[in-house]
Amino acid sequence: QVQLVESGGGVVQPGGSLRLSCAASEFTFSTYGMHWVRQAPGKGLEWVAFIQYDGSKKYYADSVKGRFTISRDNSKNTLYLQMNSLRTEDTAVYHCTKGYNYYFDYWGQGTLVTVSS
Amino acid sequence: QTVVTQEPPFSVSPGGTVTLTCGLRSGSVSTSHYPSWYQQIPGQAPRTLIYSTNIRSSGVPDRFSGSIFGNKAALTITGAQADDESDYYCVLYMGSGIWVFGGGTKLTVL
Repeated sequence: QVQLVESGGGVVQPGGSLRLSCAASEFTFSTYGMHWVRQAPGKGLEWVAFIQYDGSKKYYADSVKGRFTISRDNSKNTLYLQMNSLRTEDTAVYHCTKGYNYYFDYWGQGTLVTVSS
Repeated sequence: QTVVTQEPPFSVSPGGTVTLTCGLRSGSVSTSHYPSWYQQIPGQAPRTLIYSTNIRSSGVPDRFSGSIFGNKAALTITGAQADDESDYYCVLYMGSGIWVFGGGTKLTVL
């Protein structure tokens, strides 16, 4: 069964940085695009970023463009999200998801990021 | 800015049929948006229900179905059960590597 396990969340001050990781297993990680999707407390889901299977193309939501960077290490079966210049509105649970045919077919449980002074 | 619309909180009677929709504030939803639907119980990760408009994800009961209804994508639950009470989200692929979620619909079964 596909497993996606996020880590790296925590409390950070506004303007700070954090790097999230997502360890993938039970599928051939290097052949699938991957996404980050977030959910602010009590709010809906928001797509954040996508990276192609080989890392050659990356796409971002306008709300994070220029501040967040998605990357992957296929030798370690790991997806990353580097978050800089964090704002209070970035407070959310961040899920990594496996991409397939324009949808998200498996989801991790998520890691909570809290941006607060 | 692309806005994907979903209904406000909705209710259905046990055994009843409900259709939730997913639209665009500007324009029509088509199969080219590859609409997909997700069920989420608060506090849990979302579960994939439907993708590419009308394909049920593995293990999803056939009481869940997807379609294009007019100018919107639609999720129909036929014979609603108590454990269908959840939040439901749609997402559309807008092209150029961009996806946009709807705001979600909270469904109550009572």
